[in-house]
Amino acid sequence: IAGITQAPTSQILAAGRRMTLRCTQDMRHNAMYWYRQDLGLGLRLIHYSNTAGTTGKGEVPDGYSVSRANTDDFPLTLASAVPSQTSVYFCASSADRASGELFFGEGSRLTVL
Amino acid sequence: KQEVTQIPAALSVPEGENLVLNCSFTDSAIYNLQWFRQDPGKGLTSLLLIQSSQREQTSGRLNASLDKSSGRSTLYIAASQPGDSATYLCAVKEDIIQGAQKLVFGQGTRLTINP
Repeated sequence: IAGITQAPTSQILAAGRRMTLRCTQDMRHNAMYWYRQDLGLGLRLIHYSNTAGTTGKGEVPDGYSVSRANTDDFPLTLASAVPSQTSVYFCASSADRASGELFFGEGSRLTVL
Repeated sequence: KQEVTQIPAALSVPEGENLVLNCSFTDSAIYNLQWFRQDPGKGLTSLLLIQSSQREQTSGRLNASLDKSSGRSTLYIAASQPGDSATYLCAVKEDIIQGAQKLVFGQGTRLTINP
């Protein structure tokens, strides 16, 4: 089934550790996004990529980095995790960055202790 | 700064009723508006996408309208069923910087359909 695959589904991590959340899409979409969802704050954009080789910062980029080496993959890295990064992370993609419909993965639940 | 508001935050209705969920946004310079459904512990499922030039979109028992000038959208659900119970989110797509766009989400309406 075509779509977005995120891994891991859930992870508990010690503060200070490095973590990479993986995101792969098989729809050949150009635009990809990472959001975090927190109770009371809703969904907030962390980083985005309009096309392979380019990335940009969203609303809450501090403590996170991304790369876009190819069309399909858009990993999110936490270089040194902190408890405030405990959240549910969603990867999304869109065929057309302006008018296209956004599709989401199932999410990665991250707990930083 | 774009703000998206959804009222009510929670809604509980008996099965079979028709209902309307509301979404308002502060800046009308949007590319499109999208309605999503989110089940507990799950990702977001796209329900309807309305481009800025459109007035409404329909899919099955769902109908979404868009009035850019007033900054409002509604999601109409006909003949509600218990399986419609979920959180419904609306989001508007707008420019951020240098040609990039993002979705700005509302907080969602948690809908419960009682059998």
